[in-house]
Amino acid sequence: EIVLTQSPGTLSLSPGERATLSCRASQRVSSSYLAWYQQKPGQAPRLLIYGASSRATGIPDRFSGSGSGTDFTLTISRLDPEDFAVYYCQQYGGSPTTFGQGTKVEIK
Amino acid sequence: QVQLVESGGGVVQPGGSLRLSCAASGFTFSSYGMHWVRQAPGKGLEWVAFIQYDGSNSYYADSVKGRFTISRDNSKNTLYLQMNSLRAEDTAVYYCAKDRYYGSGAGFGGPIDYWGQGTLVTVSS
Repeated sequence: EIVLTQSPGTLSLSPGERATLSCRASQRVSSSYLAWYQQKPGQAPRLLIYGASSRATGIPDRFSGSGSGTDFTLTISRLDPEDFAVYYCQQYGGSPTTFGQGTKVEIK
Repeated sequence: QVQLVESGGGVVQPGGSLRLSCAASGFTFSSYGMHWVRQAPGKGLEWVAFIQYDGSNSYYADSVKGRFTISRDNSKNTLYLQMNSLRAEDTAVYYCAKDRYYGSGAGFGGPIDYWGQGTLVTVSS
């Protein structure tokens, strides 16, 4: 199975700053089948990005995804107070689908 | 609007069984693959199982293979997860979730665009 490693584990930033989150796969993820999710405490996850770079419905354009092969990035251009949360990547190019362990974006 | 409502969670002893249900509405249930994803307390997301839109194929995480069975009743717009031989490490919130891709496009499971609110399963003596 494809193992996804997210870094850093925790990112401490201030509102308005840029956040860069990494997701590295143990094997090439075919066709850039990589998604990103946001999860806030007590809530279900929300799909942000699929296909490595396509924004899901209703997601603000401050969220962007990039990458291919084994290295993928989620960028939040300017952090809004509502963006402080845990972010997960998921690959669905290999069976079984797998999630990364998450990156927490916290207020500095 | 899409709604996914899980039920059936609770406390069960190790070695016991439980069946989770997920009532779906707001979309054509029979056209989309469905997932179960779980989250242990304070931990990350773990994919559990996926079933294709027509129930023809299902896929499982190694951690539950042979113990859990995913199924669906498209006439009732309902997804199920039968959990047998439960262990303490199965303790988690279980989410029912809809695949983003229509029909066979989901393959063995794609990105998840809608999630239920989850149901807590606690395995403890």
